[in-house]
Amino acid sequence: GENVEQHPSTLSVQEGDSAVIKCTYSDSASNYFPWYKQELGKRPQLIIDIRSNVGEKKDQRIAVTLNKTAKHFSLHITETQPEDSAVYFCAAARTGNQFYFGTGTSLTVIP
Amino acid sequence: EAQVTQNPRYLITVTGKKLTVTCSQNMNHEYMSWYRQDPGLGLRQIYYSMNVEVTDKGDVPEGYKVSRKEKRNFPLILESPSPNQTSLYFCASSLGSAGNEQYFGPGTRLTVT
Repeated sequence: GENVEQHPSTLSVQEGDSAVIKCTYSDSASNYFPWYKQELGKRPQLIIDIRSNVGEKKDQRIAVTLNKTAKHFSLHITETQPEDSAVYFCAAARTGNQFYFGTGTSLTVIP
Repeated sequence: EAQVTQNPRYLITVTGKKLTVTCSQNMNHEYMSWYRQDPGLGLRQIYYSMNVEVTDKGDVPEGYKVSRKEKRNFPLILESPSPNQTSLYFCASSLGSAGNEQYFGPGTRLTVT
């Protein structure tokens, strides 16, 4: 099956700096790569996603890049704010709705 | 309000006592999934369903059963719970297959003693 690895497991940045979280996957058939944000005690919520036919996608301060050849994708958060502090999960999926998640990155934005 | 609901939200039970966690969505979504979340392991998919009467195993199906008799409901059944099934469980639904946003329920905290 698919194996998704996520790094780093913890990340601290100063407010206003950028944060980058990286994930790798093993199954070349995976074609959908969502990122979820989970605040303490809350449910995961989708923040951005990318499909395998796209190399980059941006939504305001958040961007995701995908390198299909190297089988890795990354989340970029610019101009970080304290409310960005949360656990972030990457995932890989293929048609049929079988999802594989990374182990999470705990992001702390220091005011 | 469009939502995914789960019941109960918290449950403490004993080894071997059958239990069911219910999941319901009101968005007419075809796809529903169950995940468990454990510290350091992220979310792992237990079972998923692509439509009524169509279910399939995820990554960690052992010890769990599901059924999808109606489009809106996708209960998770633990026939004989064991302590290693102590976890936080999330139900999720989406309009279609991978490529559509998954909406998660609020979670069910299960403790098996």
